[in-house]
Amino acid sequence: ETGVTQTPRHLVMGMTNKKSLKCEQHLGHNAMYWYKQSAKKPLELMFVYSLEERVENNSVPSRFSPECPNSSHLFLHLHTLQPEDSALYLCASSQEWGAGETQYFGPGTRLLVL
Amino acid sequence: RKEVEQDPGPFNVPEGATVAFNCTYSNSASQSFFWYRQDCRKEPKLLMSVYSSGNEDGRFTAQLNRASQYISLLIRDSKLSDSATYLCVVNSPGSARQLTFGSGTQLTVLP
Repeated sequence: ETGVTQTPRHLVMGMTNKKSLKCEQHLGHNAMYWYKQSAKKPLELMFVYSLEERVENNSVPSRFSPECPNSSHLFLHLHTLQPEDSALYLCASSQEWGAGETQYFGPGTRLLVL
Repeated sequence: RKEVEQDPGPFNVPEGATVAFNCTYSNSASQSFFWYRQDCRKEPKLLMSVYSSGNEDGRFTAQLNRASQYISLLIRDSKLSDSATYLCVVNSPGSARQLTFGSGTQLTVLP
């Protein structure tokens, strides 16, 4: 186990629904990340939080809204998604926010938007 | 040109074979390099960091060629359990604190 958990593991939602993805890390890390992984594409970084402050937002549409209430928890709130948003959403954490840091990934939430 | 480019494969090799993966990156200022492994329908996990002088971890050897902006991973005596997708990861040119992932190279080791 990597010490990073995500719920739910699978989610099917309609375009008008609102849902939230949850990530929790038990590693005492200070940085957390949301990634999107679509089929046959590289991981795309969506958001980075360092010490509960958002430090990166990679031009992600506003229908994705992150929240980091404390250094152990990270949420991704979803609303009015499109079918092309169907993907695996991965949460990761690292000790600090830095390029040399190893990132530890959660198992992901596999999202299907109908 | 993609920031991090890998041959997608698939590579199908028999058990015991030696297999090598290559990766190229576009930003000469990149400083940190990694290989991650991702099993089918699982999350990526760090396999090894790549150091300038090259480094080895058991059957795995990673090499970095800064002049050619090229990273390699060599797997010797491949096992069935090595079957996975191998992701080349480089720190992003846009921000020194971001990691950019390649699309991955799929490896299947056959009995």
